[in-house]
Formats: sequence, structure tokens, C-alpha cells
Amino acid sequence: ETGVTQSPTHLIKTRGQQVTLRCSSQSGHNTVSWYQQALGQGPQFIFQYYREEENGRGNFPPRFSGLQFPNYSSELNVNALELDDSALYLCASSPGSGQPQHFGDGTRLSIL
Amino acid sequence: ELKVEQNPLFLSMQEGKNYTIYCNYSTTSDRLYWYRQDPGKSLESLFVLLSNGAVKQEGRLMASLDTKARLSTLHITAAVHDLSATYFCAVDIRNQFYFGTGTSLTVIP
Repeated sequence: ETGVTQSPTHLIKTRGQQVTLRCSSQSGHNTVSWYQQALGQGPQFIFQYYREEENGRGNFPPRFSGLQFPNYSSELNVNALELDDSALYLCASSPGSGQPQHFGDGTRLSIL
Repeated sequence: ELKVEQNPLFLSMQEGKNYTIYCNYSTTSDRLYWYRQDPGKSLESLFVLLSNGAVKQEGRLMASLDTKARLSTLHITAAVHDLSATYFCAVDIRNQFYFGTGTSLTVIP
């Protein structure tokens, strides 16, 4: 059991729509990161939140945004969905620097 | 631009054999992690390497880190079928993880 839960597990959207993905981190893990994993590739870093503030961002456009809440939950929002956004979205939390990140099972997003 | 490259990308090996997966990265970091991913599943942490020369072993897997060469290795000893999975290395830059391309390992009975 990872302690990191994500919802929903699967989601189908159409181009141009907006989506919100949710993650509940392990208690005490004040850092949460989001990744996009396309089929057959490694996870790509989207952004990281630390104590409710964005703490770093990968090479993703502004239509990818996030929030972190005091109760260790977080959201990934994607606006104006494109076909290339179809992927597995992973949330990972860690208790601090030098610690491995614990991953959730992911949300499989399909864009039609 | 940070690059994290693994080789080989695909590895098919017989049970009982030994092999090494390599992870090269293009920027300075003394923190590297290895993860395992089974098909349709999330990532499972295998090793945390936090300094030059670090070596960690768990069962048939051993990981090492050479920060000067910007190289990490994952050595498989006497492979068994249960080790079939995709293995990723990840470089920690200011607690942001940059993953390698992955190595898909298939162990053949």
C-alpha cells in the first residue's frame, strides 16, 4: 500500500475540455509532485508543490496548473485539453529532501 | 537541458544470468533513485543513492552511484522471472525528479 491515492482511476475527455485530477498524499508529506507518463516513456515532471506553494515546474505550458491544500491533498488542472495530453498522470509525495517519492497508482486520461 | 539516459532500453535475459543497466545523466547531482514499474502499475521505490560511491543491495539487485562520471548502475545477479518489469532511474535536482527513459527487462525461463 503506497499511502498515496489518486482519483479518478480512468477518465475520458474530448479536446478543448478541462479536467481536474486529485491526489491525497501520505500524512506528513509536505511535498507533492505531478508527472505525466506517456505510453512507453518515463514520467515527465510537471510541477511540484511544497507547503501549498509551487516549488518548481517542468517544461509544461501554463494550461497545466495545480493546487496543494493543508490537508495533504492536491489537484492537477488541465485546460483546453489536446490529444497529446492522453497519458497516465502520477502524483508522488515525499516527507522531505533526500527521501524517495511515493507514487500513487495514477489517473489514466484519454482525450478523444 | 537535463538529460537522463538509460541503456539498454530493452533487455531480454535468461534466468540465472547476470546483467547491468546503465543510467547516465547530464548535470551535477548526488542524489539518484531507482524505481520499478510493472505493466499497468505505479512506480515502486527500489534504491536511494545519496552520495558518490554509494552502493545499495537488495536481493538480486545492486545499485551504485558515481557522481563524478554522472553514472549509476543497476546490476542484476542470477535473474529470475519475477524481476521482469521496467526499471527507471531518476535524478534528484532540488527535490525534483527527472526520470530516465526506462529499461524494459524480460527474464526468460
